Amino acid sequence: GENVEQHPSTLSVQEGDSAVIKCTYSDSASNYFPWYKQELGKRPQLIIDIRSNVGEKKDQRIAVTLNKTAKHFSLHITETQPEDSAVYFCAASKGSTLGRLYFGRGTQLTVWP
Amino acid sequence: DAGVIQSPRHEVTEMGQEVTLRCKPISGHDYLFWYRQTMMRGLELLIYFNNNVPIDDSGMPEDRFSAKMPNASFSTLKIQPSEPRDSAVYFCASNRKDSAGNTIYFGEGSWLTVV
Repeated sequence: GENVEQHPSTLSVQEGDSAVIKCTYSDSASNYFPWYKQELGKRPQLIIDIRSNVGEKKDQRIAVTLNKTAKHFSLHITETQPEDSAVYFCAASKGSTLGRLYFGRGTQLTVWP
Repeated sequence: DAGVIQSPRHEVTEMGQEVTLRCKPISGHDYLFWYRQTMMRGLELLIYFNNNVPIDDSGMPEDRFSAKMPNASFSTLKIQPSEPRDSAVYFCASNRKDSAGNTIYFGEGSWLTVV
């Protein structure tokens, strides 16, 4: 099966700084890579995703990059705000197993005002 | 859309008791997933269904766990007998095959404490 590794496990930044979270995956057949944000006591919610035919995708302060050759993808948050504080999960899946997401272990992001 | 609906939201039970968690997926979604989240193990897929049929239950920890999906709008996850190590948040999620890809949508979770 797929193995997704995520780093770092914790990340602290000052408000306004950028944050980068990195993930690697093992199965070259994986073609869909979503990122979920989970606030304390809440459910994981999709914030951005990227498919294997795209190298980068941006949505306001959030961007995701994908390097298929190296089998890694990253989440970039610019101009961080205290409300960005949460646990972020990366995941990977492939079309042959629709919806079966393999999750990383998560990154606890803390943004200090 | 009301989203994925789970019940109960919180349950505290004594070791040895039976626990039943319930889930109503988003209308029109034909995939349903049960995940368990703990600090130690992160998000684990327990089982998932397609069109009410279990596809992969390899994540179910042991025979004490069972899951059913009698129809397209309802699923249960049962633990019998429960043990303290089953304490976790259990998430139900659903999705539908479409051109948008494999995004899944989580319910609010059921917080289970076994004492």
